[in-house]
Amino acid sequence: DAKTTQPNSMESNEEEPVHLPCNHSTISGTDYIHWYRQLPSQGPEYVIHGLTSNVNNRMASLAIAEDRKSSTLILHRATLRDAAVYYCILRRAGGSYIPTFGRGTSLIVHP
Amino acid sequence: GAGVSQSPSNKVTEKGKDVELRCDPISGHTALYWYRQRLGQGLEFLIYFQGNSAPDKSGLPSDRFSAERTGESVSTLTIQRTQQEDSAVYLCASSSIRRDYGYTFGSGTRLTVV
Repeated sequence: DAKTTQPNSMESNEEEPVHLPCNHSTISGTDYIHWYRQLPSQGPEYVIHGLTSNVNNRMASLAIAEDRKSSTLILHRATLRDAAVYYCILRRAGGSYIPTFGRGTSLIVHP
Repeated sequence: GAGVSQSPSNKVTEKGKDVELRCDPISGHTALYWYRQRLGQGLEFLIYFQGNSAPDKSGLPSDRFSAERTGESVSTLTIQRTQQEDSAVYLCASSSIRRDYGYTFGSGTRLTVV
């Protein structure tokens, strides 16, 4: 089962870094780790993904543990616009795979 | 198009009426998913289309729910005899089947059954 576990909520102050954790202890060797975020009244949007190596893009960084059983989404400087629900999912090989989005982590950013 | 388009964005309907929700995926995306999201909850899978294969309907909550997709184009989700518990945001996503490829979601249809 491609299940992930995330804290229900986290808080941060504006302009501080935020580290959002995700556990995926049942990850298989070919699963990709994807992160999405959902702003209020919008559909989820893609943030970043990775397989084994750490990844950086304009939105965030993804740090993947050496055993791949956990990962951390890093927002280097939180802004009020980063307040959202963040989802960590595994994308498995195979055309019939259906991604499971749990309740994610609700990030609260204080001014 | 540039993104996944869903219509209508909002729908208010009376209990017992049928509703039809539309999703226009990104061109070339063979995979299309429907999810339901109740207030404050996560995404609940409803149905999955992949190319011309038979859809995975395992998430449909009752026989009042059905969906169609012609080839790799537009999909419609139909809810018959709507009930108040059907009130939710219905989200559509499309993707390539490559696992290193992200899912693109629409903005959803907010359905309110009164």
